[in-house]
Amino acid sequence: DVVMTQTPLSLSVTPGQPASISCKSSQSLLHSDGKTYLYWCLQKPGQPPQFLIYEVSNRFSGVPDRFSGSGSGTDFTLKISRVEAEDVGVYYCMQSIHLPWTFGQGTKVEIK
Amino acid sequence: QVQLVQSGAEVKKPGASVKVSCKASGYTFISYDINWVRQATGQGLEWMGWMNPNSGNTGYAQKFQGRVTMTRNTSISTAYMELSSLRSEDTAVYYCVRVGGYWGQGTLVTVSS
Repeated sequence: DVVMTQTPLSLSVTPGQPASISCKSSQSLLHSDGKTYLYWCLQKPGQPPQFLIYEVSNRFSGVPDRFSGSGSGTDFTLKISRVEAEDVGVYYCMQSIHLPWTFGQGTKVEIK
Repeated sequence: QVQLVQSGAEVKKPGASVKVSCKASGYTFISYDINWVRQATGQGLEWMGWMNPNSGNTGYAQKFQGRVTMTRNTSISTAYMELSSLRSEDTAVYYCVRVGGYWGQGTLVTVSS
């Protein structure tokens, strides 16, 4: 199975400050169709997860533009340009090019 | 709008089976795969398998092979996930997930004697 490794596992951020989460996969997530099947999702406390980013850098409908994704191959990053109180929760990266889908361990983001 | 509405919480005894439903609305049910993901309390996310609602084709994570069955009823736009031979470690919230970024609200399955 593809192993997804996130760092850091927890993050305490002052509102208005940026935050960054790294995700590394044990295999390339680049498909022969040219797309890279790396997603980011956020699970707010007490809620189901919600997808934020698909194919590395595309925001799902309704996701604020302070969220951005980048990377290629096996190294990926999620950035929040200015963290807001509503951004608290656990962030997961996920790959869907190889079965089984696999997720990172999660990065817990809290507000200082 | 796209919605995935799951069945309610279940309490089962070890060795029993559970069947969770996921009713889709707001799109053409047979056009998108449905995946199932579970999350034990305080733990991360674990993919269980997928189903193509059009063909009925399925693929399961090796960990669940032989214990999980994913089916659908296209007439009511509903997908099902049945897990058998339940053990305490299967206590978790089970989610259906549609390609394109949509999650059901989750179904808590508690396995306890």
